[in-house]
Amino acid sequence: QKEVEQNSGPLSVPEGAIASLNCTYSDQGSQSFFWYRQYSGKSPELIMFIYSNGDKEDGRFTAQLNKASQYVSLLIRDSQPSDSATYLCAVNIDTGRRALTFGSGTRLQVQP
Amino acid sequence: NAGVTQTPKFRILKIGQSMTLQCAQDMNHNYMYWYRQDPGMGLKLIYYSVGAGITDKGEVPNGYNVSRSTTEDFPLRLELAAPSQTSVYFCASSRYSTGGPSGELFFGEGSRLTVL
Repeated sequence: QKEVEQNSGPLSVPEGAIASLNCTYSDQGSQSFFWYRQYSGKSPELIMFIYSNGDKEDGRFTAQLNKASQYVSLLIRDSQPSDSATYLCAVNIDTGRRALTFGSGTRLQVQP
Repeated sequence: NAGVTQTPKFRILKIGQSMTLQCAQDMNHNYMYWYRQDPGMGLKLIYYSVGAGITDKGEVPNGYNVSRSTTEDFPLRLELAAPSQTSVYFCASSRYSTGGPSGELFFGEGSRLTVL
């Protein structure tokens, strides 16, 4: 089992719709969860982080965390073509290394 | 404020050659990381450092070496380049450990390496 799993996509949504991106992780003891956005040919940039169960909202973005089920999701409301990118889920899996473990990313395409 | 600076941005190597990817940050961050990203894949950790003089292996360290003589610099050395090392390499830094609050990673622009 991969430590951090994401559906590679592409996930295609029409402009104005809600995009839902999901991520599952293997370590029940994980405490911090991050969503990074990566445009093609660019470096990842942080868009959300969440530590507590429940929802965290920031503008059009909502991160949802369920530690019991070991999943974290990212909702993007009113999706725009500029949201088209790969979204990377990152978790502090307890591997003995003090570094984030990344999923393989979900490619999102927002159709105008 | 430059953030994390990587050089070179692009490099083509022949099999068996060696080279060093440079990484420097000006944010006084303790933690620094090297990741590689293969096409269509996520980031895999090569090496990381929690402070000057301290380095440790990540998930895929074979074929690489690092050093951290100063807080600012964290070069990645590729010895005897192989085609399997063709990838995009990202250096990143963070002020705090990623296991705690505010463990945000700041990334450099990446170094695209091709081994032929």
